[in-house]
This record gives sequence, structure tokens and C-alpha cells, in this order.
Amino acid sequence: QSVLTQPPSVSAAPGQKVTISCSGSSSNIGNNYVSWYQQLPGTAPKLLIYENNKRPSWIPDRFSGSKSGTSATLGITGLQTGDEADYYCGTWDNSLSAVFGGGTKVTVL
Amino acid sequence: QLQLQESGSRLVKPSQTLSLTCAVSGGSISSGGYSWSWIRQPPGRDLEWFGYVYHSGSTYYNPSLKSRVTISVETSKNQFSLNLSSVTAADTAVYYCARAVRGYNNYYMDVWGKGTTVTVSS
Repeated sequence: QSVLTQPPSVSAAPGQKVTISCSGSSSNIGNNYVSWYQQLPGTAPKLLIYENNKRPSWIPDRFSGSKSGTSATLGITGLQTGDEADYYCGTWDNSLSAVFGGGTKVTVL
Repeated sequence: QLQLQESGSRLVKPSQTLSLTCAVSGGSISSGGYSWSWIRQPPGRDLEWFGYVYHSGSTYYNPSLKSRVTISVETSKNQFSLNLSSVTAADTAVYYCARAVRGYNNYYMDVWGKGTTVTVSS
């Protein structure tokens, strides 16, 4: 069982918006920055969001991140078929380890 | 553009040691401010972090795996390595190397290798 909790799946039609939640505790999300990763089928994870809400330069602004208390949220607007992937949240845990969520599969209907 | 490429034993027998190397190209492993990490993903399962090494050779390991893990760096070859001892079938996974940013209250992997599949079987 993952330290961080994510919904197994979310779905929406093309052009719509989805949000993915990531729930943790005061020992991880509550006191550390959150990052998000996109894993397209058969490929390695790729950094999507770091330090809660910052995007690498190559990531479009359709992707956004936020954090409140011990939870974080990834938002994807203008959903495209190419966004179908697994999405993972990650952070540092004060038990002295990097931890991840169990992943959320995004399906474009 | 920085690239990472994993290599090493793809099939390991139970109780033996899994050994992987990550070759770094397009940049120096000695560039400051970064740590070099290993992560794995068993089939259909979650990401699991092993730990990291700095170019200085200092290391930090996941406490839950620490007894079996060694991560080392060879700056002259611009590469770093993972050794995992006493493997079992549960260690079958895709293994990734990654560059990581480690700061105060902050840790994330910004560049990942493509991954290599390791199977533990007799």
C-alpha cells in the first residue's frame, strides 16, 4: 500500500478538465514539496510538476499543480488523447525516504 | 540534453546480487546540486525509491531496503551503479536511474533513464 493515496482512475472527454488528488500526512506532503510525474504506456516516468506548482519549460500550461495542507492536486485542462497515461505524485517523507502515490490512470473518453 | 541509460544483468538467480549501471551523457555527473538515484517499478505496481549518491560518493538509502542496497559512483566514467543483494522473485521489476534535485523539504527526479527490465528466476 502506497504512502500517498491517489484515485485509481479518472476519465473525461477530449477538451474537458480532470483533476487528480494525492493525499498524504504531516510527515510527507504536509511539510514537503510535491512533484508529479506522467508515465505514458511502456515508457519511463517524466517530470510534470515540481515544488507543488512549477512546470519544467517543456510542459504545457494545460498542466497545473497545487497543494493545501496534507493534500495535493494535479489538473489537466483541454484534455487530449495524448494525455492518456498514468500519473504519480511524489514527495519526501520524514521517515527519510522519497515516496510516491499508487498512480492514477487517465482515460480520454 | 542530459540522457541516462541503464545497463546490466537482465536475468538474476534467486539469492544472487543484481547489478546495474547508469551511464550519464550530455552532461557531467559531477555537476553540482544533483543527486543520482535508482527507482524500480514491479509489474503493475507502484514506484519504489532505493536511494541516491552524490558525485562525492556520499550516499543515502531507503531505510526499508538499506540492508541489501549499495549505490556507488564512478565520476571518471560518468556513471553510477546499483547493487541489490539476496534477490527474490519480488525484486522482479523495471529499474530506472534518475537525476534528482535534493533540497530543503524538497526532492524530485527531473531526468529519467528509459528503464531496464530485470527478472529474478532460476
